[in-house]
Amino acid sequence: DTGVSQDPRHKITKRGQNVTFRCDPISEHNRLYWYRQTLGQGPEFLTYFQNEAQLEKSRLLSDRFSAERPKGSFSTLEIQRTEQGDSAMYLCASSLAVMGGETQYFGPGTRLLVL
Amino acid sequence: AQSVSQHNHHVILSEAASLELGCNYSYGGTVNLFWYVQYPGQHLQLLLKYFSGDPLVKGIKGFEAEFIKSKFSFNLRKPSVQWSDTAEYFCAAQNTGGFKTIFGAGTRLFVKA
Repeated sequence: DTGVSQDPRHKITKRGQNVTFRCDPISEHNRLYWYRQTLGQGPEFLTYFQNEAQLEKSRLLSDRFSAERPKGSFSTLEIQRTEQGDSAMYLCASSLAVMGGETQYFGPGTRLLVL
Repeated sequence: AQSVSQHNHHVILSEAASLELGCNYSYGGTVNLFWYVQYPGQHLQLLLKYFSGDPLVKGIKGFEAEFIKSKFSFNLRKPSVQWSDTAEYFCAAQNTGGFKTIFGAGTRLFVKA
C-alpha cells in the first residue's frame, strides 16, 4: 500500500500527558497537512509543510501543539499537557503541489481520547 | 470569512432513489472544489474534483457534481443509489492560488436496502 499512513491508529491518554503522532506521506508528495476532526464536523486545518518548511499554522494550534517534518519526509505532531478538549481524530494528508490546484490524499487518522 | 456549508446533515434514501447533496461555498477569488467520501471504518477518499473547464464533473462510482458559479454551489448527484453508498460525504473548497482547503460539516447518507 503506497497511501498515507499514520501511527498509532488509536491513543488513549490521561490528561496532562504528552502524545506524539506520526504521519508517512505518499513518497513523491512535497506537501503534508495536519487536520483535526471532531464528531459531526469536517476536517479542520491545523498546519502544513512544504518539504521540511512549516508554512502556516492555524489559530486552532495552541502552543501545546508542535509539528515537525525533518528532511521533508515523515511528520510528527506532538501535543503537550493534553486536555480533554484535545480528544479528536487527527488526520494527515499529503499532496503534490502543482499550478492551479492540488488534491490531498488522506491517511486513516489517529483517534485520540484524553481521559 | 471562507466557509463551506452542506445543506443536510443526515439523508436517508431507499436503494435506487436519486441523490442530490447540496454544497455552497463562500470564498474570495476562484476556487477548486472537491467531494470526499468516508465509508464506515475507512479514511477519506476523493470522489471527484473541479479545477476548471466543464462545470459538470464525473467521479468514481457513478457520482457527478455540477459547479454553478452564480450560485456558489457544487452539488453532488447520483441517479440511483446503492446500499454500498452509505457513508459520510464532505464538500471542500480550496483557493486556486494556494493550499488551504476548507471542509463542510459533512452529510451522513444512509441507504436502506
